[in-house]
Amino acid sequence: GQQLNQSPQSMFIQEGEDVSMNCTSSSIFNTWLWYKQEPGEGPVLLIALYKAGELTSNGRLTAQFGITRKDSFLNISASIPSDVGIYFCAGLNYGGSQGNLIFGKGTKLSVKP
Amino acid sequence: NAGVTQTPKFRVLKTGQSMTLLCAQDMNHEYMYWYRQDPGMGLRLIHYSVGEGTTAKGEVPDGYNVSRLKKQNFLLGLESAAPSQTSVYFCASSQSPGQLSTHFGNGTRLTVT
Repeated sequence: GQQLNQSPQSMFIQEGEDVSMNCTSSSIFNTWLWYKQEPGEGPVLLIALYKAGELTSNGRLTAQFGITRKDSFLNISASIPSDVGIYFCAGLNYGGSQGNLIFGKGTKLSVKP
Repeated sequence: NAGVTQTPKFRVLKTGQSMTLLCAQDMNHEYMYWYRQDPGMGLRLIHYSVGEGTTAKGEVPDGYNVSRLKKQNFLLGLESAAPSQTSVYFCASSQSPGQLSTHFGNGTRLTVT
């Protein structure tokens, strides 16, 4: 089946630093999504990308849908302690009567105050 | 508005025991999903439902059964629990098949000894 390679697996950064993480796939997706999961909670959608080349921002977060439709990037600028969590990318293809999300394995972000 | 509610939050089972996890959503969503999350594995789809009375297999359905007798509820059953089913289980719901409005519950942590 389709798989997503998400990197890095974990990051330890200083407050104020910028963060960059990415997802790649061997196959094409129609939509890329980025989620954040905090301890003890379910994932929460941060950004959705709908077409190749699209660049979308949500506050300090910026994500891009790769031009080949096989990758996506998430950047966080000027990190703060509350950015701590696990960030998941997810790819989506519409097929038949339903579309299923394929999740990456996550990037665990730690921020030192 | 509670969103997606999962019960119980924690459970410990012995090998061979059975149990049912309950997911309830109050958003009148058509689509509901059960995922499991294991360390380093991201989220994997177990079963899903595209409407009341329907169910379908996801990526890792073996050892699980589901039922959607009412639109707002999606039940996940383990008939004979195995240690390999130790995991955190997340329920999610969405209005559209594209899952762009997917809401996740806060998870059920299941340990099978």
